[in-house]
Amino acid sequence: QKEVEQDPGPLSVPEGAIVSLNCTYSNSAFQYFMWYRQYSRKGPELLMYTYSSGNKEDGRFTAQVDKSSKYISLFIRDSQPSDSATYLCAMGGIQGAQKLVFGQGTRLTINP
Amino acid sequence: DTAVSQTPKYLVTQMGNDKSIKCEQNLGHDTMYWYKQDSKKFLKIMFSYNNKELIINETVPNRFSPKSPDKAHLNLHINSLELGDSAVYFCASSQGMGLAGRTQYFGPGTRLLVL
Repeated sequence: QKEVEQDPGPLSVPEGAIVSLNCTYSNSAFQYFMWYRQYSRKGPELLMYTYSSGNKEDGRFTAQVDKSSKYISLFIRDSQPSDSATYLCAMGGIQGAQKLVFGQGTRLTINP
Repeated sequence: DTAVSQTPKYLVTQMGNDKSIKCEQNLGHDTMYWYKQDSKKFLKIMFSYNNKELIINETVPNRFSPKSPDKAHLNLHINSLELGDSAVYFCASSQGMGLAGRTQYFGPGTRLLVL
């Protein structure tokens, strides 16, 4: 079993839809949770960062962490074609310096 | 201005060859990383350096040898290339150790194809 599980998709939705992306994990030591966006043939860029449990909102993006269920989510409201990309969840713990463990990434397409 | 740059962007080579990938960051960060992303998009850390000191060394074949001449540069040398080394290699950097509030900035990647 992988430490971080993420459905690779692909996921295709119409413009304006609400998108829900999810990851589950097995390591209870994880404290830091991130979402990276990766456009085709580009490097990942940090989208959202959350420490421990709770919600965080930034514009059209909301990140949720449920540590009791070992489950994290990213919601995208009013999705735009420019949101089409691969979304990778990443997480790490206090131990082991800044080692991030990534999910496989979900490939998302927003159709105009 | 490019924050994290890598050269070359593409690398096609034969099995058994030795090749190097270079990474430079102009963000003033003191920590740099090498990641490998395979064909299924799994992104996995290989090495991390803080102030030129190796701090993360995952289970990577010893054919891979990182070198950090200074805080702004981290190179990756690969000996005796194998077909399974074909992947995209990303360099990243951050300021400080630990994950608390620290963003890792990624380069554009180097696409390595071993024939």
